[in-house]
Amino acid sequence: DQQVKQNSPSLSVQEGRISILNCDYTNSMFDYFLWYKKYPAEGPTFLISISSIKDKNEDGRFTVFLNKSAKHLSLHIVPSQPGDSAVYFCAASARAGAGNMLTFGGGTRLMVKP
Amino acid sequence: GAGVSQTPSNKVTEKGKYVELRCDPISGHTALYWYRQSLGQGPEFLIYFQGTGAADDSGLPNDRFFAVRPEGSVSTLKIQRTERGDSAVYLCASSSKDNEQFFGPGTRLTVL
Repeated sequence: DQQVKQNSPSLSVQEGRISILNCDYTNSMFDYFLWYKKYPAEGPTFLISISSIKDKNEDGRFTVFLNKSAKHLSLHIVPSQPGDSAVYFCAASARAGAGNMLTFGGGTRLMVKP
Repeated sequence: GAGVSQTPSNKVTEKGKYVELRCDPISGHTALYWYRQSLGQGPEFLIYFQGTGAADDSGLPNDRFFAVRPEGSVSTLKIQRTERGDSAVYLCASSSKDNEQFFGPGTRLTVL
């Protein structure tokens, strides 16, 4: 039973255009959401996060949107750059619980073409 | 500054053998996590330490898996009687505050 799902295994975007990566979750106890970026042979690198009390968080080219009623979040990258090509993981945690363990989606491989 | 380091980077072993995977967290981070990432999937939680104690080991798949953190810094994940299904990338992360976990590069375990 996957509590966090990324339904698109891959996404291809032209350089300069917008990349939109989507994530759905089922556990209503999740109250904190994160996006991680992963290059081959490296560990995931934290990108951006959002608390459930917000519906948008922006950091430079990266914006995360949260729709709690739909249990859906998305990551927007504008403009996309070739160096953004990587696997992106959505993750969620229930901060009320001890430890803040992360539950990850299966990842979306983003390819930004020059 | 040094990030999370994991050794070895690659480990190949035979079915039935015992393996140890090591994690050196960022200095001063009290929380340490182990995750396992199988091919084509996202990381899955295994165990969480706060200081020296395992605060949550609910993700360990069975009793062949065990982890320790005796001095509240370095952690070792131990797998007994390895099986082919244990083949995966084992990731370690550490944290000093809520939710922002810093990951190491992982150990790729291959059980033949």
